[in-house]
Amino acid sequence: DADVTQTPRNRITKTGKRIMLECSQTKGHDRMYWYRQDPGLGLRLIYYSFDVKDINKGEISDGYSVSRQAQAKFSLSLESAIPNQTALYFCATSDHAANYGYTFGSGTRLTVV
Amino acid sequence: GESVGLHLPTLSVQEGDNSIINCAYSNSASDYFIWYKQESGKGPQFIIDIRSNMDKRQGQRVTVLLNKTVKHLSLQIAATQPGDSAVYFCAGGSNYKLTFGKGTLLTVNP
Repeated sequence: DADVTQTPRNRITKTGKRIMLECSQTKGHDRMYWYRQDPGLGLRLIYYSFDVKDINKGEISDGYSVSRQAQAKFSLSLESAIPNQTALYFCATSDHAANYGYTFGSGTRLTVV
Repeated sequence: GESVGLHLPTLSVQEGDNSIINCAYSNSASDYFIWYKQESGKGPQFIIDIRSNMDKRQGQRVTVLLNKTVKHLSLQIAATQPGDSAVYFCAGGSNYKLTFGKGTLLTVNP
């Protein structure tokens, strides 16, 4: 089983729909992150959480929201999806003791039509 | 703000040759740098890291060099193999958050 699991792996949704991407981890890490990857732009940070009660905006949080339901679960929601949110989304985790030792999930490919 | 970029978007090498992938960063406060490898359909995988108080670190077939004077780091892969074909990202860390570069596609020709 993967250490960081993202569901779904692929999703096509219509403009205006609400969609949730889920991430769960078995590494016992306290920190979790959501990144978005677009061709030619690398990975950009959407939201991050250093523990269950801590939620922070990243560089491109507009149009997104998150929920840290438990230490092991961090979900990303698009309240009203728009086509320019079509991208590959990655969840990552890290441990406070390891600073930047991120572990990434396999990604969710989201298409908004 | 932080920006991390790569000098070349693509790099093609012959199997067995050494590969060098370069990266520039802008944030002097970055205290940690990582190289990631991303294969098609997968998430980024950690390759090697280096703290800002070091200028060189070696792993198995990989070496990262950090030049803080010119804010530049590089990833050297020795005896490049077909399995090394992937997109390589550098990332700079500050305040426990990573900022990623845009990636370099490495293609290894047999």
